[in-house]
Amino acid sequence: AQTVTQSQPEMSVQEAETVTLSCTYDTSENNYYLFWYKQPPSRQMILVIRQEAYKQQNATENRFSVNFQKAAKSFSLKISDSQLGDTAMYFCAFAPTGANSKLTFGKGITLSVRP
Amino acid sequence: DGGITQSPKYLFRKEGQNVTLSCEQNLNHDAMYWYRQDPGQGLRLIYYSQIVNDFQKGDIAEGYSVSREKKESFPLTVTSAQKNPTAFYLCASSIRSTRTSNTEAFFGQGTRLTVV
Repeated sequence: AQTVTQSQPEMSVQEAETVTLSCTYDTSENNYYLFWYKQPPSRQMILVIRQEAYKQQNATENRFSVNFQKAAKSFSLKISDSQLGDTAMYFCAFAPTGANSKLTFGKGITLSVRP
Repeated sequence: DGGITQSPKYLFRKEGQNVTLSCEQNLNHDAMYWYRQDPGQGLRLIYYSQIVNDFQKGDIAEGYSVSREKKESFPLTVTSAQKNPTAFYLCASSIRSTRTSNTEAFFGQGTRLTVV
């Protein structure tokens, strides 16, 4: 069975500063994908960034980047130059490759950006 | 425009009644998923389907049923056997995973079900 753990339920950051959200996962799979999703107050789920496990290079999307440590099964999200619009819940998710792949989420973290 | 549509946005039902939540997508995706979201619980997988006429139980399937008669549609029925059905329900779809690749899921806007 695969599990995704987000141990911090809430975090707060000052506008324009940097914040890192933690995520760990457990799996016996060797090929898989990892995702960070954002859920703003509208509750619409939005993909922030994704990482293929076979790639050693960390994924980056503008102000968002990840620190992927495959051996440690860690997948943290760094948000640089935080903006008020970044206030949301953030979910880490895992999906193996394969015919009956299922997407598993962590419990999420509520991020508040202070003006 | 391509997308995934859930309806209705809000749904009220009396205790003991079955209710069906709609999920339709025109993204030509093979895989579809149903999640339940409760405060502090994250998204928990109810059912998922990788192809038409086939689906698998997720982590919390008890009290729910689904069908996948068409590629575009994956309705979820919340039955009277579900002990605590009041929740926010999210439907998602994605390109089918292969042996070596996977893609992200696209989500609908959700349905808030309240049972009174």
